[in-house]
Amino acid sequence: GESVGLHLPTLSVQEGDNSIINCAYSNSASDYFIWYKQESGKGPQFIIDIRSNMDKRQGQRVTVLLNKTVKHLSLQIAATQPGDSAVYFCAENKNTGGFKTIFGAGTRLFVKA
Amino acid sequence: GAVVSQHPSWVICKSGTSVKIECRSLDFQATTMFWYRQFPKQSLMLMATSNEGSKATYEQGVEKDKFLINHASLTLSTLTVTSAHPEDSSFYICSAPTSGRPDTQYFGPGTRLTVL
Repeated sequence: GESVGLHLPTLSVQEGDNSIINCAYSNSASDYFIWYKQESGKGPQFIIDIRSNMDKRQGQRVTVLLNKTVKHLSLQIAATQPGDSAVYFCAENKNTGGFKTIFGAGTRLFVKA
Repeated sequence: GAVVSQHPSWVICKSGTSVKIECRSLDFQATTMFWYRQFPKQSLMLMATSNEGSKATYEQGVEKDKFLINHASLTLSTLTVTSAHPEDSSFYICSAPTSGRPDTQYFGPGTRLTVL
């Protein structure tokens, strides 16, 4: 199977601060990217997505930036809250006649009250 | 949003036995479902694509005879871990798209398998 990375890096932020989570993806042919949030013992939840023809997309309190030149994604969370504490994964989609979602390494976000 | 369920949520079994995990789409039909495995503090690894009415497609390195997948209906896919060993202990997660696009993909809550 495919995945990227073995260990979860950790980001610790103060409540109310902005968080920036980074991710490197592997396939320059991937044309669609998603950020997921996973809480302990649960499945991933969709946060925000971006297509390869865009370099920025904003949602409610979240922004995704895509740099195709260096194959880099970032997720920015504004005014981070304790409920944002979770593991965040970027995922790339390879169109293989259907689609296949390949997850990146993930980052654990701790929000300090 | 759409709901995907898994059963059981956790299971403990003895080494050498087989365990079946169910993945159901509760309010939509899914011709395709995906099975992932997640070890502690690691990312999700795609194991296979489950296709209704045809054989599953396995990712490189995943043993098809050990991880049997059956997409029995448009709302049910099962993963059977055969002759389970302690190294198969993991969190197994399924997902299903409500249409053919990755942005419509919903994930189940996962099944924690512990093999003694």
